[in-house]
Amino acid sequence: EPEVTQTPSHQVTQMGQEVILHCVPISNHLYFYWYRQILGQKVEFLVSFYNNEISEKSEIFDDQFSVERPDGSNFTLKIRSTKLEDSAMYFCASSELRGTGEKLFFGSGTQLSVL
Amino acid sequence: GENVEQHPSTLSVQEGDSAVIKCTYSDSASNYFPWYKQELGKRPQLIIDIRSNVGEKKDQRIAVTLNKTAKHFSLHITETQPEDSAVYFCAAIRGGSNYKLTFGKGTLLTVNP
Repeated sequence: EPEVTQTPSHQVTQMGQEVILHCVPISNHLYFYWYRQILGQKVEFLVSFYNNEISEKSEIFDDQFSVERPDGSNFTLKIRSTKLEDSAMYFCASSELRGTGEKLFFGSGTQLSVL
Repeated sequence: GENVEQHPSTLSVQEGDSAVIKCTYSDSASNYFPWYKQELGKRPQLIIDIRSNVGEKKDQRIAVTLNKTAKHFSLHITETQPEDSAVYFCAAIRGGSNYKLTFGKGTLLTVNP
């Protein structure tokens, strides 16, 4: 069964540093997403991406965050200047089609720790 | 925006018993309600979902019910097994929202052998 893959599985960084989280969505999927989960809390939507542009973003997704699809397979999340509160598990997800009822597939996540 | 409340936050049952997790949502335009199971340190995985034009859906030991009028939906697990132990998240999505899922806070289900 195809899977969304994320690298690295763990990322430790110093406050103020830039990090890039990598994702390879399922190959025939057209919609891509980033969610995050702070330890012990619920999964929160960050951003959705389609046709090489952001289609929706949450209030969490401020100017420090950006997403990019640099080639035909990768989908990245960049945090320009990390803060302590950015420490969380970041999940990439993809879906084949937009719209109600289309299944969302999550990657295994990148645990980001900001020191 | 949508707000999803989930109860209880923790649930402990004996193997073989049933477990019920309840969620309420605020946005009457929400029309799709998936449930995710997340084992410790792993990705959320979709286990069942229901659309707003259906009142109940069942898949083996798992069932979901939806009451649109009251804006609540529930997950029912029968004949629980230790491998059902995990955190369960309900979610809701508003039609046409580019798949922006709003999750509940999760229920830690523990099935004791």
